[in-house]
Formats: sequence, structure tokens, C-alpha cells
Amino acid sequence: ETGVTQTPRHLVMGMTNKKSLKCEQHLGHNAMYWYKQSAKKPLELMFVYNFKEQTENNSVPSRFSPECPNSSHLFLHLHTLQPEDSALYLCASTPQAATNEKLFFGSGTQLSVL
Amino acid sequence: AQSVSQHNHHVILSEAASLELGCNYSYGGTVNLFWYVQYPGQHLQLLLKYFSGDPLVKGIKGFEAEFIKSKFSFNLRKPSVQWSDTAEYFCAVVASGGSYIPTFGRGTSLIVHP
Repeated sequence: ETGVTQTPRHLVMGMTNKKSLKCEQHLGHNAMYWYKQSAKKPLELMFVYNFKEQTENNSVPSRFSPECPNSSHLFLHLHTLQPEDSALYLCASTPQAATNEKLFFGSGTQLSVL
Repeated sequence: AQSVSQHNHHVILSEAASLELGCNYSYGGTVNLFWYVQYPGQHLQLLLKYFSGDPLVKGIKGFEAEFIKSKFSFNLRKPSVQWSDTAEYFCAVVASGGSYIPTFGRGTSLIVHP
């Protein structure tokens, strides 16, 4: 266990659905990240939050909407996704952003868009 | 922006064979380097890291990596692999003085046959 918990573990949704991914950490970290892991591609950074403020948006389409209500929780709201958005979505945290600290990863949410 | 190349996408070995996984990065400045491992069904976790000093870094489970600045490389090695080393291995680079957000390679899938 890394202390970073993601729910759900698996999600199947249609292109017209709205769903949310949740990430929770109780490590006392102040930076949280969303990464997308697709087969045969590098891990892609999506968003970074530092002390609840978004500091990075890596040109992510607006059908992905992040929310960070506090330093312990991070959400990724999904709306009208495309089949190519099917991937493993990973959440990670560090004590704060802009440091060399290692990332603590969750186990991910495996998303399938039909 | 930096990028990371992992040239070996799939590696299959027998137990006791030696392992070397390649990692090259493109960035002209000071870097910090990481190898992460993802065992089947588990979260990504840190295997080893290089910040400064001795370019030969030792990590957990008998793994080591050597930073060769002139070759922009940080190859991962293990003299004798075990079946339990079957996993996905990711190289990551952090550019010092930048955003300190890790850039990952696409990963290498290692299968070790007993």
C-alpha cells in the first residue's frame, strides 16, 4: 500500500455518460497528479495540483475536468469521452510539487469507453 | 521539453539471466533520474533514483543503474533475474530548474520464465 487510494478500480462507460474518478491520500502530501497510462505509450501527465491550486494542465481536452477540494482528495470528472480515452488513469502524490520527491502512485482506474 | 526513450519494449528472459534495460533522455541540463516498477496488479513504485554523486546507483531487490552523462543514458541492470522480477519498468527524468514534473518513458515489459 502506498497510501494513495483510487476508486473505482474498473469503470466501463458509454460515450454519453458522466462519471467521476476519485483519488484519496492520507500521507499529508500537498501535491496531487493525474496521469494517463495507455498501451505502447509513455505515461502522460494530465494535471497537477499543488496546495489545491492547479499548476499544470498538459493540454488535456475539456471532456476531462479535474477537481481538488482539499489536499487529500482529487477527482477527475469525465463527460462525453471517446473510445480512445480508454486507458489506466493513475493518481499520484508528493509532499509538494516542484521538488525531486518520488511519486506515490495509486493502483489506478482502468477505464473502458464503449 | 525533455523526453525519455526506452528502446526495449518487451524483454523475455529465463531465471538467472542478466538484465539490462535501456533508457535515454533528451535534455541538455542537470537531470534527476528514476526507475519505477509496476508488478502485475500492483501500483507503480520507485526502484531507484539518481540525484548526484556516484553515477552507479543501487536500488531495491538487487537492481542498479548507471548514469552516463555523455550518453544521456540511465540503464537499469540486474546480474541475475528472478521470476518475481516479471513487471513493467519505467524510466523517468526530472529536469532540475524546470517544473520538476517527471517525464516518463513508455515502459519495458519484462517477463522472466522460471
